[in-house]
Amino acid sequence: EPEVTQTPSHQVTQMGQEVILRCVPISNHLYFYWYRQILGQKVEFLVSFYNNEISEKSEIFDDQFSVERPDGSNFTLKIRSTKLEDSAMYFCATFRDPTDTQYFGPGTRLTVL
Amino acid sequence: QQQVKQSPQSLIVQKGGISIINCAYENTAFDYFPWYQQFPGKGPALLIAIRPDVSEKKEGRFTISFNKSAKQFSLHIMDSQPGDSATYFCAASMAQGGSEKLVFGKGTKLTVNP
Repeated sequence: EPEVTQTPSHQVTQMGQEVILRCVPISNHLYFYWYRQILGQKVEFLVSFYNNEISEKSEIFDDQFSVERPDGSNFTLKIRSTKLEDSAMYFCATFRDPTDTQYFGPGTRLTVL
Repeated sequence: QQQVKQSPQSLIVQKGGISIINCAYENTAFDYFPWYQQFPGKGPALLIAIRPDVSEKKEGRFTISFNKSAKQFSLHIMDSQPGDSATYFCAASMAQGGSEKLVFGKGTKLTVNP
């Protein structure tokens, strides 16, 4: 069964550093989402991306965050200058169309020191 | 309005028992209600989902009951097994309303004792 993959599985960084989290969606999926989950809390929507542009973003997704699909396959989330409070699991989710299920990747655990 | 309230926060059930997790929502524009199962260190995985045109959906041991007038939906796990021990999240979205983002409940940690 096809699945969403994410790299790295764990990223440790110093506060103020830039990080890039990568997602490889299922091949025929056109909608790409990022969610995050702070330890022990609920999963929260960050941003949605369709047709090479952001379609919706949450208030969490400020100017420090950006997304892109650099090569037509990978989907990336960049955090320009990480803060301690960015420490969380970041999940990529993809789906084919609005009536389809969202498939989640295994997540990247980001630890900001 | 965007919140989905989930209860209980944690649940302990004996093997073979029924696990029941409840969710409530406010936004009547929500039109898709999935339940996700999450094991430690893994991403959420879709378990079962329902749309508001039906009041119940069953897949194996898992059943969603949906009450549109009360704006509530629940997950029932029949014959609960230790392998069902995980965190369960209810969620909602409004796919027809142009926003497919999932709004999650806070999760229920289910423990099924052998």
